[in-house]
Amino acid sequence: NAGVTQTPKFQVLKTGQSMTLQCAQDMNHEYMSWYRQDPGMGLRLIHYSVGAGITDQGEVPNGYNVSRSTTEDFPLRLLSAAPSQTSVYFCASSLIGTGAMAFFGQGTRLTVV
Amino acid sequence: GNSVTQMEGPVTLSEEAFLTINCTYTATGYPSLFWYVQYPGEGLQLLLKATKADDKGSNKGFEATYRKETTSFHLEKGSVQVSDSAVYFCALTGANSKLTFGKGITLSVRP
Repeated sequence: NAGVTQTPKFQVLKTGQSMTLQCAQDMNHEYMSWYRQDPGMGLRLIHYSVGAGITDQGEVPNGYNVSRSTTEDFPLRLLSAAPSQTSVYFCASSLIGTGAMAFFGQGTRLTVV
Repeated sequence: GNSVTQMEGPVTLSEEAFLTINCTYTATGYPSLFWYVQYPGEGLQLLLKATKADDKGSNKGFEATYRKETTSFHLEKGSVQVSDSAVYFCALTGANSKLTFGKGITLSVRP
């Protein structure tokens, strides 16, 4: 079973370019989320979704868009990349519920030059 | 809002040493508590969890006890191995399933 699949693993963008980070899960999880990981900052929540058609902002949503048209997919769009968006991005999924464990993708290392 | 505070790192230990990584939290209601581990170049994976007060989570020789009176969830291992070298994150979820992470701590174990 694949779990959570993120693509691409590495990406270099020029300032102002747009791109979409893909995330797919095959566990029928209702809850999906995107985090960015920066040195000394831990993981910060960008956007999340509790089901198809429902999304909401996390802690650091500016510059990012998401949509959830299916249970399986939760893409993250960078509208106009900035150097401050250089980071490692993780997608996660889980069942809904306070004790549910989250499954993480392998991450996307994004560099904006 | 919810928050998680981890001790500052990095931590360097010799093989077979005792490990303690401190974690305290602030949350409303009754959160669930987690430790996640990130090995080099990989995503996070669950190490252990506890869902109510006085529960003890354990896995791979690691243990942590949910202490509501001290709002803590310290991670311990009696004898670390080189293969335990990784970044460790303490985290919690509330009723809305949102994970709140601490900043993480890097553990390096020397042979």
